[in-house]
Amino acid sequence: NAGVTQTPKFQVLKTGQSMTLQCAQDMNHEYMSWYRQDPGMGLRLIHYSVGAGITDQGEVPNGYNVSRSTTEDFPLRLLSAAPSQTSVYFCASSPVGVRQPQHFGDGTRLSIL
Amino acid sequence: AQKVTQAQTEISVVEKEDVTLDCVYETRDTTYYLFWYKQPPSGELVFLIRRNSFDEQNEISGRYSWNFQKSTSSFNFTITASQVVDSAVYFCALSEARDDKIIFGKGTRLHILP
Repeated sequence: NAGVTQTPKFQVLKTGQSMTLQCAQDMNHEYMSWYRQDPGMGLRLIHYSVGAGITDQGEVPNGYNVSRSTTEDFPLRLLSAAPSQTSVYFCASSPVGVRQPQHFGDGTRLSIL
Repeated sequence: AQKVTQAQTEISVVEKEDVTLDCVYETRDTTYYLFWYKQPPSGELVFLIRRNSFDEQNEISGRYSWNFQKSTSSFNFTITASQVVDSAVYFCALSEARDDKIIFGKGTRLHILP
């Protein structure tokens, strides 16, 4: 099983560029979420989705958009990248809701110059 | 508002010693869930345990044990006879029943020295 797949693994952007981080899961999980991990800050929830067609904001949603057109995919869009968005991004999924153990992808390391 | 505090930023112990990682949480809900995740140097995040607020029984899994005390709002994690492979960043997390969000502590980086 592939589990949760994130692409790309690494990316360098210039300030103002846009980009989409891809996340796909093959476990038929309803709940998917995006986190950013910064040194000394732990993981912070950006956006989450409880099912196809439903998304909501987490702790740090500004500067990011999401959509959930299928159960499998949950892309994260940076509309106009800023240096403050330099981080490691993790996508996760769980069968139903955040109360169940999350299955994490391997992460995307993003640098904004 | 919910909050998770892991006061120990970094801990170093010698192999075979026991070590306890502290986690203190704040929540207004009576129903909530607590988690521990491990992030080894390779970077992936691995689920270790989940506890709900109605289950205060301590849990033991091999060399790992967890102590959940509602009276002190703590959910501490102990590794017995630590091994070098236990070196990682450990995160405590809290989810309240009233929404679908989760909040993580800032993590404790554990170094097990050979």
